[in-house]
Amino acid sequence: DVKVTQSSRYLVKRTGEKVFLECVQDMDHENMFWYRQDPGLGLRLIYFSYDVKMKEKGDIPEGYSVSREKKERFSLILESASTNQTSMYLCASSPIEEPYEQYFGPGTRLTVT
Amino acid sequence: AQKVTQAQTEISVVEKEDVTLDCVYETRDTTYYLFWYKQPPSGELVFLIRRNSFDEQNEISGRYSWNFQKSTSSFNFTITASQVVDSAVYFCALSEWTSNTGKLIFGQGTTLQVKP
Repeated sequence: DVKVTQSSRYLVKRTGEKVFLECVQDMDHENMFWYRQDPGLGLRLIYFSYDVKMKEKGDIPEGYSVSREKKERFSLILESASTNQTSMYLCASSPIEEPYEQYFGPGTRLTVT
Repeated sequence: AQKVTQAQTEISVVEKEDVTLDCVYETRDTTYYLFWYKQPPSGELVFLIRRNSFDEQNEISGRYSWNFQKSTSSFNFTITASQVVDSAVYFCALSEWTSNTGKLIFGQGTTLQVKP
């Protein structure tokens, strides 16, 4: 059974803290993605990675960075958390071949106070 | 530009009613994939179906059916005889084919509430 896991389901952090969200997949997928989900806005792509140490900005990369040191692990970093980063964060992975179906983790609901 | 629009923000039905979730997309690609995902209250998006642009056959899976029409750029999803367990947020998505990155473009989502 394919699996994408995220390190936390719920997280509460203070403004200005550095936050790490971890994602691990066991499907040997090349592609990995970080999205944030907000009501009425759907899923918006923050960053994605198509190989180890490779990354590309998505639609809303400001305030975020990522790290992919190993194929199975993709980390999202909030350098200095702000209240407008309170959101649901979803990680996904997909193979490099079509049809590019993405497999999602359970999500991390982050609250920044 | 590529875009997916789910105009229905929220739908509320009573159990056993049929319900259709609309999805309209825009793309210049001639080859693409369309997807539907379900997000139950637990939060994890669950894959429901994919359709490639060359296959306009409608598909039925149990109480679920999908109507893909290239002429109107729509990929609508119908649940027949809805059940309370169908309550979820449903997302339609389009693959960004030309970039060959596996990126998906998601619609805003439709929240379906099925009341007993």
